[in-house]
Amino acid sequence: QKEVEQNSGPLSVPEGAIASLNCTYSDRGSQSFFWYRQYSGKSPELIMSIYSNGDKEDGRFTAQLNKASQYVSLLIRDSQPSDSATYLCAVTPGGSNYKLTFGKGTLLTVNP
Amino acid sequence: EPEVTQTPSHQVTQMGQEVILRCVPISNHLYFYWYRQILGQKVEFLVSFYNNEISEKSEIFDDQFSVERPDGSNFTLKIRSTKLEDSAMYFCASSDREGTQYFGPGTRLLVL
Repeated sequence: QKEVEQNSGPLSVPEGAIASLNCTYSDRGSQSFFWYRQYSGKSPELIMSIYSNGDKEDGRFTAQLNKASQYVSLLIRDSQPSDSATYLCAVTPGGSNYKLTFGKGTLLTVNP
Repeated sequence: EPEVTQTPSHQVTQMGQEVILRCVPISNHLYFYWYRQILGQKVEFLVSFYNNEISEKSEIFDDQFSVERPDGSNFTLKIRSTKLEDSAMYFCASSDREGTQYFGPGTRLLVL
């Protein structure tokens, strides 16, 4: 069973702080990695994709990938109350170009 | 900005009835997907579709389920004889060759 694991949270940070979200995956052959944000009752909204080891920055968001440790993280700088949501880590398993395997998500709360 | 659309937003049906969920993927995308999310659980892959055929399907996608692209724009998921446990949010997604998937707003299905 190819799993994607995330702490369910809740992770609570004050406004303006850095939020750090973590994800591990079991399939060493995984190729593509994504972070989605999901507000309650809504659909997953893409934040970032990352395909190679290292960091990738997009505005306030930085994704980090370490394939040797099978670890993906998302940093949110200058967190805002509007960032309060569940953050989903998703992985394309090895041998598949066509599906995403999701973690259960981490609930982030940003307190004003 | 182009987006995936889904209809209906909510569907209530009786156990044993057939339902058809509809999706209009992003117009230049070639890969189409269905996922479901039971309340409080993670997003689960059902099926992917490319070039008018199923590319990959999960164990959940049994003979009760079928997908179709009846015309150049719509992509449908049919559940032949609904069960109580089919109650969930159903998300359609589409991607281009790069593989980044964009999700529609979802259809909330309730089976009574």
